[in-house]
Amino acid sequence: AQSVAQPEDQVNVAEGNPLTVKCTYSVSGNPYLFWYVQYPNRGLQFLLKYITGDNLVKGSYGFEAEFNKSQTSFHLKKPSALVSDSALYFCAVRDGRYGGATNKLIFGTGTLLAVQP
Amino acid sequence: NAGVTQTPKFQVLKTGQSMTLQCAQDMNHNSMYWYRQDPGMGLRLIYYSASEGTTDKGEVPNGYNVSRLNKREFSLRLESAAPSQTSVYFCASLSESSYNEQFFGPGTRLTVL
Repeated sequence: AQSVAQPEDQVNVAEGNPLTVKCTYSVSGNPYLFWYVQYPNRGLQFLLKYITGDNLVKGSYGFEAEFNKSQTSFHLKKPSALVSDSALYFCAVRDGRYGGATNKLIFGTGTLLAVQP
Repeated sequence: NAGVTQTPKFQVLKTGQSMTLQCAQDMNHNSMYWYRQDPGMGLRLIYYSASEGTTDKGEVPNGYNVSRLNKREFSLRLESAAPSQTSVYFCASLSESSYNEQFFGPGTRLTVL
């Protein structure tokens, strides 16, 4: 069965410092991995995805994520955090062997990123 | 393109009341989903619809029903609301052409007293 773990409920970082939000996954086939961000009182917005190719994926708002197959991880990173990055971040995975709606996207429990001025 | 829209944005119900949450997408996607979001539990799938005319249960379907009215619209109904259904509800649609990226609506915040 597929699963996603986000081991940190909250990550605190000072503005201008690098940030990392951790995600590990479990899936039988090739993983399709996604990061979504949720700002207060808003829906989820897509940030980036890994399907195949380069292990370092670049996404919106200066975020990037590194796929590590041996560690089954897909950590979200940004070189210099902004106060406006403060939000709830979700990692999600699906099994890349199958398409369609029945191959469901599995979400982690979310990590709250708090960037202090 | 409006993307995925949901109505209402907020709703307060009394225990036992019924209501329908509406969702529509204008991206011509076949698949649509309903999730609920609760603190510390992430997003949990309630029901999904792979195509017009089909619906299937997700992880937490009890207490809910759905209707896929047409390709655009997918509604979620609470027949007899319970306080345990207090949550934020999100509708999403699936892009088969974009490696199955899901697009989310803005959510409905439901409180059941």
